[in-house]
Amino acid sequence: GAGVSQSPRYKVAKRGQDVALRCDPISGHVSLFWYQQALGQGPEFLTYFQNEAQLDKSGLPSDRFFAERPEGSVSTLKIQRTQQEDSAVYLCASSLVGGANVLTFGAGSRLTVL
Amino acid sequence: KQEVTQIPAALSVPEGENLVLNCSFTDSAIYNLQWFRQDPGKGLTSLLLIQSSQREQTSGRLNASLDKSSGRSTLYIAASQPGDSATYLCAVRYNTGGFKTIFGAGTRLFVKA
Repeated sequence: GAGVSQSPRYKVAKRGQDVALRCDPISGHVSLFWYQQALGQGPEFLTYFQNEAQLDKSGLPSDRFFAERPEGSVSTLKIQRTQQEDSAVYLCASSLVGGANVLTFGAGSRLTVL
Repeated sequence: KQEVTQIPAALSVPEGENLVLNCSFTDSAIYNLQWFRQDPGKGLTSLLLIQSSQREQTSGRLNASLDKSSGRSTLYIAASQPGDSATYLCAVRYNTGGFKTIFGAGTRLFVKA
């Protein structure tokens, strides 16, 4: 596609619910990143994929967070048993290869946990 | 700890003014540095990417410089316009940080007409 597409744009969940956020990167982009952005802060790294391989998941805040990219294209970020502190904007970015190239970001998925 | 700091946190200027946004990083061993723009409720748009071997990049009214020895980058905006109002984020990929890019908290810019 022409850009990075994320869905849903907005998600409201009750505490304890599971959520799944989808990212559709630019076609042909090898690298895919997930970031978490709290209000008024810069994005914080969560995880990185090179094709289908998850090479870095050091930023995932707990084992409730899980990400996958099974066919090396679309990626899903899953949060289990959501808590209020999970409320944030979740941003997906893709690039041709690693971090050497310009990162192209999606518009983000805003998660609100009540 | 590898960090990125941006000063000022917020800036308000009259239209037409030239301005400088500052970014500092804690480790000179960087792979590249990017400046992004973020509009409210939107994702990030890449403005300029400076590789480690470069000293500056220019695009239109924007110029970004990189001084690894002092751990600083500046984003210069010439002849500012109200449409430049946004949050500007500096992001660094360190040589030893794996694949992650570390972001500053941003500078919120408001250009008054």
